Amino acid sequence: GDSVTQMEGPVTLSEEAFLTINCTYTATGYPSLFWYVQYPGEGLQLLLKATKADDKGSNKGFEATYRKETTSFHLEKGSVQVSDSAVYFCALSDRSGGSNYKLTFGKGTLLTVNP
Amino acid sequence: DGGITQSPKYLFRKEGQNVTLSCEQNLNHDAMYWYRQDPGQGLRLIYYSQIVNDFQKGDIAEGYSVSREKKESFPLTVTSAQKNPTAFYLCASSGTSGSGGLFGPGTRLTVL
Repeated sequence: GDSVTQMEGPVTLSEEAFLTINCTYTATGYPSLFWYVQYPGEGLQLLLKATKADDKGSNKGFEATYRKETTSFHLEKGSVQVSDSAVYFCALSDRSGGSNYKLTFGKGTLLTVNP
Repeated sequence: DGGITQSPKYLFRKEGQNVTLSCEQNLNHDAMYWYRQDPGQGLRLIYYSQIVNDFQKGDIAEGYSVSREKKESFPLTVTSAQKNPTAFYLCASSGTSGSGGLFGPGTRLTVL
């Protein structure tokens, strides 16, 4: 079955540091890939997405590139801010088979950015 | 404005009682989902529905039930058969498989 593995946290950085959160996936078909962000006590917000190999998703300074050869979708940001502190989830939606709407999530990575 | 709403935000129930969580969307999305979130375990899929009057079990459906009588609504009932119901419940909807899901704000259920 489909699965997503992301680096375990927590990750603690100083403001303006470089961020990488690793994500790798296993899927039977040709998945779309997503990063979601969750602030304390809230639901998930879609941060960025990529729907095919070599696509780069980007939003609010965050980027991730769909790497089919390494089955990866690592999240990066060049300079984090205190306001980026949140839990980040990597997810995939596999378009093959009958359940092509279902999202499969990683376990989440807690990011804390200190001033 | 289009969006997805869940109510209530906080819910308290006594052990042994059934409870229904509301999820409504006005985005004209075909698919809707229910996830459960526990600390350190990420999100686990309970049920999902791709069209009205049809739904499928997810990974942890035992002790839960759903209905999809209208496109806009996908209520989740947590029954007394659910052994550990205290959790944060998230509803989502999506239009196509490539668009990801739009999540509601969640309902935190505490069973006393």
